[in-house]
Amino acid sequence: GQSLEQPSEVTAVEGAIVQINCTYQTSGFYGLSWYQQHDGGAPTFLSYNALDGLEETGRFSSFLSRSDSYGYLLLQELQMKDSASYFCAVRSQTGANNLFFGTGTRLTVIP
Amino acid sequence: DTAVSQTPKYLVTQMGNDKSIKCEQNLGHDTMYWYKQDSKKFLKIMFSYNNKELIINETVPNRFSPKSPDKAHLNLHINSLELGDSAVYFCASGYLRDTEAFFGQGTRLTVV
Repeated sequence: GQSLEQPSEVTAVEGAIVQINCTYQTSGFYGLSWYQQHDGGAPTFLSYNALDGLEETGRFSSFLSRSDSYGYLLLQELQMKDSASYFCAVRSQTGANNLFFGTGTRLTVIP
Repeated sequence: DTAVSQTPKYLVTQMGNDKSIKCEQNLGHDTMYWYKQDSKKFLKIMFSYNNKELIINETVPNRFSPKSPDKAHLNLHINSLELGDSAVYFCASGYLRDTEAFFGQGTRLTVV
């Protein structure tokens, strides 16, 4: 089966940097993705790591270590609008080949 | 507009009723999904559908059945609704083996 664990809540100050961790267990592995979901909205894709290392997209970066089954999302220069839930996700290579989401991290940015 | 669209956005119904949620994507994707998001925000995969192959999450009750008239549509039919079915249901689409999925706006189902 698959399991993806994230901290349930994180609070950070506007302008600061915050890291959201994800540890996963999965049968087969295509890569780790990150999604953002604002209250009342739909999840939207942020980033994807297939290989080890850091991927940077503007203020957001994502890191993957396949040997550690671990990744994180790094948000820099936090803005109030970054307050949302963040999910890591993996695709399984087993028969289901489905896209599985982590438990989600609620990020609150405070002034 | 290119998107994943699902209807209705809100659905309030009584226990025991049967209801359907419709989903359409015009992104040309080959795979569609249904997810259930409960009050704790867990996003749980219910079904995926690719090239007429349906993958069912084994924990989904058989009261839930997806129906796909073509690869652009994956509707969700729910029989004998129960209080525990209350949740937000998201349709999504993407390419097989791609980890980027595009989500519909969600349907908030409330069973009373």
